[in-house]
Amino acid sequence: NAGVTQTPKFRILKIGQSMTLQCAQDMNHNYMYWYRQDPGMGLKLIYYSVGAGITDKGEVPNGYNVSRSTTEDFPLRLELAAPSQTSVYFCASSYRSLGRSTNEKLFFGSGTQLSVL
Amino acid sequence: DQQVKQNSPSLSVQEGRISILNCDYTNSMFDYFLWYKKYPAEGPTFLISISSIKDKNEDGRFTVFLNKSAKHLSLHIVPSQPGDSAVYFCAASSFRGGATNKLIFGTGTLLAVQP
Repeated sequence: NAGVTQTPKFRILKIGQSMTLQCAQDMNHNYMYWYRQDPGMGLKLIYYSVGAGITDKGEVPNGYNVSRSTTEDFPLRLELAAPSQTSVYFCASSYRSLGRSTNEKLFFGSGTQLSVL
Repeated sequence: DQQVKQNSPSLSVQEGRISILNCDYTNSMFDYFLWYKKYPAEGPTFLISISSIKDKNEDGRFTVFLNKSAKHLSLHIVPSQPGDSAVYFCAASSFRGGATNKLIFGTGTLLAVQP
């Protein structure tokens, strides 16, 4: 079972460069999320999607873009990389919205460690 | 404005003893709480959850207690094992906030279980 797959695992960018973090899930989940985790901090929601073609901003969306053309894929785009975007990025998915059932939960990928120098 | 707080960055416990990890929240709208466990270089994995209609939920060695009046929850691990050594995140959500259900995470507590 692959679950949630993120690529790449590591990346170093120069200031001003752009890149796309890939995320794919094979669990037929409707909901997908992007989080970032800075050292000593909790995970912060960047963007989320409730289904193909539907995305919305989370807590810290500035500097990022997303798209959701298929149920399986939810890429995160950095257009002009800045040092403040140095972080570990986690993609996650869930079948339904949290709170519908106490059995609902997020499934996370293993993360992408990004450094912007 | 940290809505979910884990005030202990780290905790060290002897194998076989109880581990108690604490979490406080400020938003009274939160009605669903989860604990996630994270090993280095891996994504967080779900551990246990509790709805605000309950004050306790148990799953094997793991028990979560919720005190709504104090806006406090705790995770008990009994007995603690070396494999439990990880970072534990508390997270909260408000179903009443809409179907998007954004999870708000705490900063995490690093648990070290000494053999």
